[in-house]
Amino acid sequence: DTAVSQTPKYLVTQMGNDKSIKCEQNLGHDTMYWYKQDSKKFLKIMFSYNNKELIINETVPNRFSPKSPDKAHLNLHINSLELGDSAVYFCASKGQAYSGNTIYFGEGSWLTVV
Amino acid sequence: AQSVTQLDSQVPVFEEAPVELRCNYSSSVSVYLFWYVQYPNQGLQLLLKYLSGSTLVKGINGFEAEFNKSQTSFHLRKPSVHISDTAEYFCAVSEFDGGATNKLIFGTGTLLAVQP
Repeated sequence: DTAVSQTPKYLVTQMGNDKSIKCEQNLGHDTMYWYKQDSKKFLKIMFSYNNKELIINETVPNRFSPKSPDKAHLNLHINSLELGDSAVYFCASKGQAYSGNTIYFGEGSWLTVV
Repeated sequence: AQSVTQLDSQVPVFEEAPVELRCNYSSSVSVYLFWYVQYPNQGLQLLLKYLSGSTLVKGINGFEAEFNKSQTSFHLRKPSVHISDTAEYFCAVSEFDGGATNKLIFGTGTLLAVQP
């Protein structure tokens, strides 16, 4: 059973389109994240949700809108896609502090904007 | 603010040789430390973590890391590498507090390239 799963794994789309990436975790964790990995492999946090509440928003353009319908799901919607949005997007989740703050990542979603 | 420095962007090594991937961090508070591995076109897999206790931490696939508080380092080592260890390795740090605002700060990654 996959702990953190995200779909789709690969997405190729044209500039200006709107797309969504879905994420689900079956670990019972309270906190979920979206990270972006750019072409140079650099990983940076975008958003964090705790029990469906937005906790961290790292100055991401407002074309990116996360949505958490429940604490097991955190979806990422991107409006008006630009070439610079091409990246790998990782969903992740974290349990309580007593579990050691370990953050578990999904397999990634490779987004290519053409 | 925290930061992580991985001094080597790429480390070439021959198969069965030992390897060390370097990681230094900066933080004004106590931290947890992690190493993640990313195989080509795959996601991030937790290799090992330091939370507390023994400063020598053993992980999966024969890797280990040693936490050195005085040098603010968390170098990753393996005594004998295999071709299959070729991957990108990321060092990461998170605050000890572990509240809801806790997040991972990553280094820029080190590509371990194992050659036959």
